[in-house]
Amino acid sequence: QKEVEQNSGPLSVPEGAIASLNCTYSDRGSQSFFWYRQYSGKSPELIMFIYSNGDKEDGRFTAQLNKASQYVSLLIRDSQPSDSATYLCAALMDSNYQLIWGAGTKLIIKP
Amino acid sequence: DAGVIQSPRHEVTEMGQEVTLRCKPISGHDYLFWYRQTMMRGLELLIYFNNNVPIDDSGMPEDRFSAKMPNASFSTLKIQPSEPRDSAVYFCASSLGGAGMQYFGPGTRLTVT
Repeated sequence: QKEVEQNSGPLSVPEGAIASLNCTYSDRGSQSFFWYRQYSGKSPELIMFIYSNGDKEDGRFTAQLNKASQYVSLLIRDSQPSDSATYLCAALMDSNYQLIWGAGTKLIIKP
Repeated sequence: DAGVIQSPRHEVTEMGQEVTLRCKPISGHDYLFWYRQTMMRGLELLIYFNNNVPIDDSGMPEDRFSAKMPNASFSTLKIQPSEPRDSAVYFCASSLGGAGMQYFGPGTRLTVT
């Protein structure tokens, strides 16, 4: 069974520090990876996606992909209390083009 | 665009009643997904459509659940009869060209007593 694994947290990070969220996946055929943010009581929203090995930066967010290690991460620089949310990692399976979702990591940014 | 629209936002019903959830995807999107989210099981894909055609309904928990997409701008998820264990938040999402970049509606919080 194809899986995406995330530490459920909560991950507590002081304001202004770097938050590092990690995700591993089992399907070596997965080529595309997505990070969604979900505030409490709200719906998931896409914040980053990455297809190629290496880093992809968008403002304070950096997604990192290592296909050899089957590892995806999301770094949030200069963390703000408004970044407190659950972050969902998802992998797009090549076999059927479905997203496999992780259970999410709850991030708490402490002022 | 108004985004994905779902109705109702909250639904409280008694066990055994029929429940119908509604979704209007983003105009032009060709994929539509129905999800259920609970604390215990996280986000679960129930069914998805491509160009109004159901592609994979393997996530539908049992025959009490059914979904339709009669046209590109409307879909329904029906539960009949409803049970307390169906209590969850149900999300509809749509995307263009594939499953990766999905846009979620605000969700319907269903409580079955």
